[in-house]
Amino acid sequence: QSVLTQPPSVSAAPGQKVTISCSGNSSNIGNNYVSWYQQLPGTAPKLLIYDNNKRPSGIPDRFSGSKSGTSATLGITGLQTGDEADYYCGTWDSSLSAGAVFGGGTKLTVL
Amino acid sequence: QVQLVESGGGLVKPGGSLRLSCAASGFTFSDYYMSWIRQAPGKGLEWLSYIGSSGSTIYYADSVKGRFSISRDNAKNSLYLQMNSLRAEDTAVYYCARRGYGGYDLGYWGQGTLVTVSS
Repeated sequence: QSVLTQPPSVSAAPGQKVTISCSGNSSNIGNNYVSWYQQLPGTAPKLLIYDNNKRPSGIPDRFSGSKSGTSATLGITGLQTGDEADYYCGTWDSSLSAGAVFGGGTKLTVL
Repeated sequence: QVQLVESGGGLVKPGGSLRLSCAASGFTFSDYYMSWIRQAPGKGLEWLSYIGSSGSTIYYADSVKGRFSISRDNAKNSLYLQMNSLRAEDTAVYYCARRGYGGYDLGYWGQGTLVTVSS
């Protein structure tokens, strides 16, 4: 069971918008930056969002991130079939067992 | 460009050991923290370990603490993961990753190396 909680799956039609939630607690999301990763089938994960809402160079502005309290959200607008992938949230956990933590992942299906 | 190439994966018997390597290029290796992450077949990402840029700060996930050891050689631009007392549940693709741009994030990933623990 993952420290961060994500929905197992979400789906939407091409061109639509989807959001993926990530829930944690005060020792992880509540006091640390959140990042989001996209993993296309058979490939390594790719950083989409860092520091809650910043995009690395080359990531389209269709992807956005936000954080409120102990939860974070990834938003994807103008869905494309190429967005079908697994999405993971991640952050640092400052508890006694300090280390990074990931959500269980969310499978996005573009219908 | 940033490149991370893992090697050292393979088939190992339960209780055995394996040492993974991650060769880095395209950036000043000694400036960045590095991490190991794994992904069991059909499962999600599991963070394993972090090592600071100088090697003096290290963290481990509870699942591998006492069995795995992370290290780096900045002169050789290389990251390592020594894995001992391997179990069937350690079977996974192992990725090395480099700090990205902000707080704690993983901006660059290798292609991964498969470790299979089976008799």
